[in-house]
Amino acid sequence: ETGVTQSPTHLIKTRGQQVTLRCSSQSGHNTVSWYQQALGQGPQFIFQYYREEENGRGNFPPRFSGLQFPNYSSELNVNALELDDSALYLCASSPGAAQSSYEQYFGPGTRLTVT
Amino acid sequence: QKEVEQDPGPLSVPEGAIVSLNCTYSNSAFQYFMWYRQYSRKGPELLMYTYSSGNKEDGRFTAQVDKSSKYISLFIRDSQPSDSATYLCAGGTSYGKLTFGQGTILTVHP
Repeated sequence: ETGVTQSPTHLIKTRGQQVTLRCSSQSGHNTVSWYQQALGQGPQFIFQYYREEENGRGNFPPRFSGLQFPNYSSELNVNALELDDSALYLCASSPGAAQSSYEQYFGPGTRLTVT
Repeated sequence: QKEVEQDPGPLSVPEGAIVSLNCTYSNSAFQYFMWYRQYSRKGPELLMYTYSSGNKEDGRFTAQVDKSSKYISLFIRDSQPSDSATYLCAGGTSYGKLTFGQGTILTVHP
């Protein structure tokens, strides 16, 4: 069974640029959630995707957007990057219906640095 | 007030000690309670989750939830140096949004 994978591992961008992060969910999982983890903090929920639709969103501005594909993989897009966007971005997949998607398994994350 | 409060530590214990990690929460909508372990520069690893008040045991780990006082705990018995990591507690709602505490840094020294 393959776990959650994310790419790239590390990324350095300049303020104002756009970035796309990718996630492949664990085999058999149909729900994907994205989190932002600043240094020394716990992960913060960005949004969740189920059956290619956004199924809940945290307190993040619209410049954070996402997609889920028919194979359940997902992308996180961030436009107009700000210095405060520097963080570890985590993808988590979960089995079953969105209403029971608390059992989340995380990938290794993408470390984004904005200069 | 944060929805989930967790003492960041750091917590340092000798090998073999019993470790107690604690969180409090304020959101009554939380239905699930999770514990994750995160090693440096890695993603969080799911250790245990519970749905109701009471205890749940898995090997050396015991998760405890007291919904009346909004208090959740993780106990680690016979702690090992390999248990050294950051431990994250989280509350979950029905549609799967997890709200995490800040994490407690644990070091188990030989």
